[in-house]
Amino acid sequence: EAQVTQNPRYLITVTGKKLTVTCSQNMNHEYMSWYRQDPGLGLRQIYYSMNVEVTDKGDVPEGYKVSRKEKRNFPLILESPSPNQTSLYFCASSSRAGINTEAFFGQGTRLTVV
Amino acid sequence: KNQVEQSPQSLIILEGKNCTLQCNYTVSPFSNLRWYKQDTGRGPVSLTIMTFSENTKSNGRYTATLDADTKQSSLHITASQLSDSASYICVVSVDTGRRALTFGSGTRLQVQP
Repeated sequence: EAQVTQNPRYLITVTGKKLTVTCSQNMNHEYMSWYRQDPGLGLRQIYYSMNVEVTDKGDVPEGYKVSRKEKRNFPLILESPSPNQTSLYFCASSSRAGINTEAFFGQGTRLTVV
Repeated sequence: KNQVEQSPQSLIILEGKNCTLQCNYTVSPFSNLRWYKQDTGRGPVSLTIMTFSENTKSNGRYTATLDADTKQSSLHITASQLSDSASYICVVSVDTGRRALTFGSGTRLQVQP
């Protein structure tokens, strides 16, 4: 089954404790991205990757890092989480076939930073 | 600034009734417009994708329309079911190298028996 898998689904952590949210897709997609969703706001892009070893900032990259060492994996790293990073995070992937291709989203990771 | 505005913010309808959700956008350069359904606590799932040359697209009981001249889109749901209760998100794709998606904040639909 074609899917984007995020882990963990839920995470509570303390300020300053480094964490990683994993994202993996099984569709051989070149393009992957991370979004955060906050109440009353649309999803906002944090980082994206056009292919392996190619990453770039989205609209709200501050406080986040990413890496793309393998095509299927695109982890999101919070080096020093702060309470304002409490949010619902989604990973998405799509093929490079064209800008009109489908974007597939993971199930989401609900992060709480206390 | 690229924006996508949706209305209403929330809507309650009775099962079996039809409804229409609205989306206005100022995104430029426009590539395509998508409607997603997001169940509570789940990731968005695509319903339709329309390019600027398409003015209507259907997916079962969901029909999306697009007027690229007025920069408006609508999502019409026919014969609603309880399982239609979800947030519906309008998303506009910008035609730039980074393939950015601009999301509306969604319309929360509740279908009651």
